[in-house]
Amino acid sequence: SAVISQKPSRDICQRGTSLTIQCQVDSQVTMMFWYRQQPGQSLTLIATANQGSEATYESGFVIDKFPISRPNLTFSTLTVSNMSPEDSSIYLCSVGGPRDRAPGEEQFFGPGTRLTVL
Amino acid sequence: DAKTTQPNSMESNEEEPVHLPCNHSTISGTDYIHWYRQLPSQGPEYVIHGLTSNVNNRMASLAIAEDRKSSTLILHRATLRDAAVYYCILRDRAGRGSTLGRLYFGRGTQLTVWP
Repeated sequence: SAVISQKPSRDICQRGTSLTIQCQVDSQVTMMFWYRQQPGQSLTLIATANQGSEATYESGFVIDKFPISRPNLTFSTLTVSNMSPEDSSIYLCSVGGPRDRAPGEEQFFGPGTRLTVL
Repeated sequence: DAKTTQPNSMESNEEEPVHLPCNHSTISGTDYIHWYRQLPSQGPEYVIHGLTSNVNNRMASLAIAEDRKSSTLILHRATLRDAAVYYCILRDRAGRGSTLGRLYFGRGTQLTVWP
């Protein structure tokens, strides 16, 4: 299994500012993913954080708004830029297991970062 | 991505079995069937997955229809701790390029367990 921690656990931010969320895993993983869960909604995949290359974004999400870093195999950051109240969500980091290139493997999720934008 | 259809909500009494259905009529031959659940104020957690045969683990059982167009997650004895949103997700076994490793969540089924 993989243990994931996220920082901060929650934050309240002002409109127009940016927040960087950190995701730390206790083992090396090839693929890390960032999800958003808006209030009362399901999870939406934002992007895949690739080590050594640029992140791959899902439709509707762009790098200028959600820049991602992946400096090594255990760490990633997601920045929510120029925030508006519509960005108020829970942001979750997720990883595959140690052999995470096998699609049948389970995925592990962090506890999430609860962001409120005023 | 192949889509799944689940009831919005279901209810059960504690210590009774629960059968959570999922329809995936457009499933392809390379799709695994995954189930995750999300307890209140937590990230999702893996429950079980299968391809063609029924599967059992310590948390649940997964019954897969012969044509693979539907599946049922079975909780043998529901507890209050099983109250959660349950997601049925198809995941590409071949893991081709752009979809490798990705999980796409639907709306899931909100399970309420009564004491």
